[in-house]
Amino acid sequence: DAGVIQSPRHEVTEMGQEVTLRCKPISGHDYLFWYRQTMMRGLELLIYFNNNVPIDDSGMPEDRFSAKMPNASFSTLKIQPSEPRDSAVYFCASSSPDSSYEQYFGPGTRLTVT
Amino acid sequence: RKEVEQDPGPFNVPEGATVAFNCTYSNSASQSFFWYRQDCRKEPKLLMSVYSSGNEDGRFTAQLNRASQYISLLIRDSKLSDSATYLCVVNWSYKLIFGSGTRLLVRP
Repeated sequence: DAGVIQSPRHEVTEMGQEVTLRCKPISGHDYLFWYRQTMMRGLELLIYFNNNVPIDDSGMPEDRFSAKMPNASFSTLKIQPSEPRDSAVYFCASSSPDSSYEQYFGPGTRLTVT
Repeated sequence: RKEVEQDPGPFNVPEGATVAFNCTYSNSASQSFFWYRQDCRKEPKLLMSVYSSGNEDGRFTAQLNRASQYISLLIRDSKLSDSATYLCVVNWSYKLIFGSGTRLLVRP
């Protein structure tokens, strides 16, 4: 059974470029979460969706960040323009209606902005 | 003040030792509580839920004190494979709030 899939696994880009991170949640899971992890700030929730609808985006740092979930099997997190302080590991997680409190994380995308 | 606070460690213990981690949380409306484990350069994974009555899973025991807003994790007979970062997590309104983690190193 496939877990949460994220791509790319690593991304190196120059400041000012657009970055798009992708996530495929576990089939049947109706909650999807985007997190960012850094040494300084730990693991932070950026935004979460329920049934493809954004419910809480209060963790999104600023207007440079946007997230979409066009269907139940795909979500994107976009940063435009990227800045060096965006360098972090970005995790996507999903959870099921039966166990909304247990979240399954993808392997993460390690983003480096130079 | 952070919503979930943990001692960052590292805790460096020999194999077979018993080690305890503590965590405090600030939101008294928090609904449920967990310990997640994160290996180096990997994603977090659920270790166990934490209940007010206390619960045990093999060598791991978790306790919750709602009055003091305090959560603990006890690991008995620690193994080399227990080396990881342990994240204290509270749930509020479908959101998981993570502590910054406590790093455990188990040495031979």
